[in-house]
Amino acid sequence: ETGVTQTPRHLVMGMTNKKSLKCEQHLGHNAMYWYKQSAKKPLELMFVYNFKEQTENNSVPSRFSPECPNSSHLFLHLHTLQPEDSALYLCASSQVTSGAQYFGPGTRLTVL
Amino acid sequence: SQQGEEDPQALSIQEGENATMNCSYKTSINNLQWYRQNSGRGLVHLILIRSNEREKHSGRLRVTLDTSKKSSSLLITASRAADTASYFCATDFEGAQKLVFGQGTRLTINP
Repeated sequence: ETGVTQTPRHLVMGMTNKKSLKCEQHLGHNAMYWYKQSAKKPLELMFVYNFKEQTENNSVPSRFSPECPNSSHLFLHLHTLQPEDSALYLCASSQVTSGAQYFGPGTRLTVL
Repeated sequence: SQQGEEDPQALSIQEGENATMNCSYKTSINNLQWYRQNSGRGLVHLILIRSNEREKHSGRLRVTLDTSKKSSSLLITASRAADTASYFCATDFEGAQKLVFGQGTRLTINP
């Protein structure tokens, strides 16, 4: 629907698990983003990749590890998460970092 | 904080009425954008207004920008039940190379 897909849509994991979130954009954009959205908190920018180079790491704990192998794909590798990391994780892309962003449907993550 | 602040936090109106949401910010911007989010889903881009523009329209949406007051408003005319969603403003601050989102306004349209 928006040209940005995310998998999985829902994920339940224990604190000792390792999992990865995947994002793919079919819009030919140059910039990709990971956001975290928790209940009753503003949308939090986590990482920005511009032309496959990470340009922003918004003081994100090292248990979140992003990977951008090319301008169309973005991953978020998760390990030893905490229950407070449970949230909706949104991926977005844009042509330029100041332009309109197109969001995927999100991955609803629950950490037990 | 540089983030935009929306006002009100929640708004409930009858179908057919107009809805107005406001956004204020603190530093100079390149542009300001409005997004809609239906419950538990991704955000959808609505309108981008540049710092040298004062008003933009898109269908039933009207956005104004007053850089002297560092504020913007989103007007939805003739509201419909399908407009029920959260609406966010996002600002592209000069030199920031990223968007900063506000906390959003939760709009409910009652049939």
